[in-house]
Amino acid sequence: DSGVTQTPKHLITATGQRVTLRCSPRSGDLSVYWYQQSLDQGLQFLIQYYNGEERAKGNILERFSAQQFPDLHSELNLSSLELGDSALYFCASSPTAEPAYEQYFGPGTRLTVT
Amino acid sequence: AQSVTQLDSQVPVFEEAPVELRCNYSSSVSVYLFWYVQYPNQGLQLLLKYLSGSTLVKGINGFEAEFNKSQTSFHLRKPSVHISDTAEYFCAAPFNAGKSTFGDGTTLTVKP
Repeated sequence: DSGVTQTPKHLITATGQRVTLRCSPRSGDLSVYWYQQSLDQGLQFLIQYYNGEERAKGNILERFSAQQFPDLHSELNLSSLELGDSALYFCASSPTAEPAYEQYFGPGTRLTVT
Repeated sequence: AQSVTQLDSQVPVFEEAPVELRCNYSSSVSVYLFWYVQYPNQGLQLLLKYLSGSTLVKGINGFEAEFNKSQTSFHLRKPSVHISDTAEYFCAAPFNAGKSTFGDGTTLTVKP
């Protein structure tokens, strides 16, 4: 158990809909990362937050947005969903934003868009 | 462009045989390099990491990796694998501000 929790575990929704994925980092970790894992794209970095502020952006679509709240939990919002958004979404956390620190991954949220 | 390349998408091996999973990186600056493992239906967990110093890094579960600057490689090795090592392995390089780049993954299948 990494100490990172993600809810829900599974989510099935229809095209065009909007969903919110939630992540609680390990106690004391200030940095949160979001990743998308799919068979055709592999593991793609989406976005990083550090202590409430956006720190780095990866391959995140404009239809997707994220935020980190004062209690450090984070939410990833996916809107106007398409079939291709079906994937496993991981959240990870680390103590700081420094790249030398390992990232602790949550168990993931499996999103299925039908 | 900064990138990480895992040279093998699938590596089948028999139990108790040695294994090497290959990773090359491209960067013009010093890098930190990581290997993560993902067991079925789980998130990723750290196997080992190279930050600086000794080029041979030892990790969990008997894995080790060697950082080779001249060949820009960071290959993962284990002298004798077990069935329980069957998993997907990712090489990763957080180049700056945690903007981690992950390789495409290598599926290690250990056969009895």
